[in-house]
Amino acid sequence: AQTVTQSQPEMSVQEAETVTLSCTYDTSENNYYLFWYKQPPSRQMILVIRQEAYKQQNATENRFSVNFQKAAKSFSLKISDSQLGDTAMYFCAFWTNRDDKIIFGKGTRLHILP
Amino acid sequence: DSGVTQTPKHLITATGQRVTLRCSPRSGDLSVYWYQQSLDQGLQFLIHYYNGEERAKGNILERFSAQQFPDLHSELNLSSLELGDSALYFCASSVDSEGTGELFFGEGSRLTVL
Repeated sequence: AQTVTQSQPEMSVQEAETVTLSCTYDTSENNYYLFWYKQPPSRQMILVIRQEAYKQQNATENRFSVNFQKAAKSFSLKISDSQLGDTAMYFCAFWTNRDDKIIFGKGTRLHILP
Repeated sequence: DSGVTQTPKHLITATGQRVTLRCSPRSGDLSVYWYQQSLDQGLQFLIHYYNGEERAKGNILERFSAQQFPDLHSELNLSSLELGDSALYFCASSVDSEGTGELFFGEGSRLTVL
């Protein structure tokens, strides 16, 4: 079965610090896409960043970047210069063409402290 | 505002009852996904429709059914409700038939079964 594991249920960091959220996944496919979604207290899910598995270069979106280690099946999210508005639940997700479903992990609740 | 509309936002009902959750995707999006979010369970994939046809099914209970209509809105029907069905139900849409692009989520329908 294809799975996504987020090993950190909850994390807290001070504002302006850098934080890394972990995600590992399991698939035998070569063609897949990886995502990080953010769910703030308003509960609406928003895409943070997306990575295509065939691209070696790590995706970056402003303060958000990923460390994609394909061999290790690891896809961590780094948030630099964290802000209070980054407080949210973060979900790692992936899609493969084998199942045609987007599978989400259980999430990491991130608190940015003033 | 993602452009995805879900109704109702909140729903309280009793065990054994039936409810219908409605989703209107973003204009132009042909794919609709349904997810269930329970406490500590992350987002569980239920079903994916593309342009009226079922594309993929997750661990959707037999008591649950869904469809996508010609105008592309979708409905999720939950019947013989049990306490454990209490959850946040999300609809998401995308323009693609495959889950390689961004999903746009609605605000969810909070179902409480008493």
